[in-house]
Amino acid sequence: AQTVTQSQPEMSVQEAETVTLSCTYDTSESDYYLFWYKQPPSRQMILVIRQEAYKQQNATENRFSVNFQKAAKSFSLKISDSQLGDAAMYFCAYIVTGTASKLTFGTGTRLQVTL
Amino acid sequence: DTGVSQDPRHKITKRGQNVTFRCDPISEHNRLYWYRQTLGQGPEFLTYFQNEAQLEKSRLLSDRFSAERPKGSFSTLEIQRTEQGDSAMYLCASSFPGTSGQETQYFGPGTRLLVL
Repeated sequence: AQTVTQSQPEMSVQEAETVTLSCTYDTSESDYYLFWYKQPPSRQMILVIRQEAYKQQNATENRFSVNFQKAAKSFSLKISDSQLGDAAMYFCAYIVTGTASKLTFGTGTRLQVTL
Repeated sequence: DTGVSQDPRHKITKRGQNVTFRCDPISEHNRLYWYRQTLGQGPEFLTYFQNEAQLEKSRLLSDRFSAERPKGSFSTLEIQRTEQGDSAMYLCASSFPGTSGQETQYFGPGTRLLVL
């Protein structure tokens, strides 16, 4: 079965500090995309960052960056200079290219940001 | 730029009743997805349309569930004879694959269903 594992149900970070959320996945496919989505309380899911599996360079989006280790099937998210607005559930997901294109999600990590 | 919209946002129904949800994707997106999210879990895929064609259905989609996308624009998800186990957030997403095959799904706010 193709799965996504987020081993940290909850994480906490102080404002302005850096936090890393971990994600591992299991797929036999070689061509896929990886995503981190953010779901604030009672609000809709929004895309944080995307990584193409064929690219060795790690994706970055402002304060968000990933550490993509394809051989280890690991895809962690680093949030720098954490802000109160970063508090949310974060979901790791992947999609196999060229197929039915359904996203497979992990169970999420709840991030708290403290003052 | 109008995002994905869903209606209603909340629905409370009694067991055994039928419910229907609507999703309006981003206008130029030809792919539309339905997911279900239960408390404390990530979304699980239900079904997927490319234009008006329903191309894949999850085994989670029992025969009480039906989805349509009649003109390749909005979609409806109907649940017949609702059960308490159907209580969940129903999420819709849409995407438009680029020439390189990139595909990012954009989600709507969801419809939260509570079956009493």
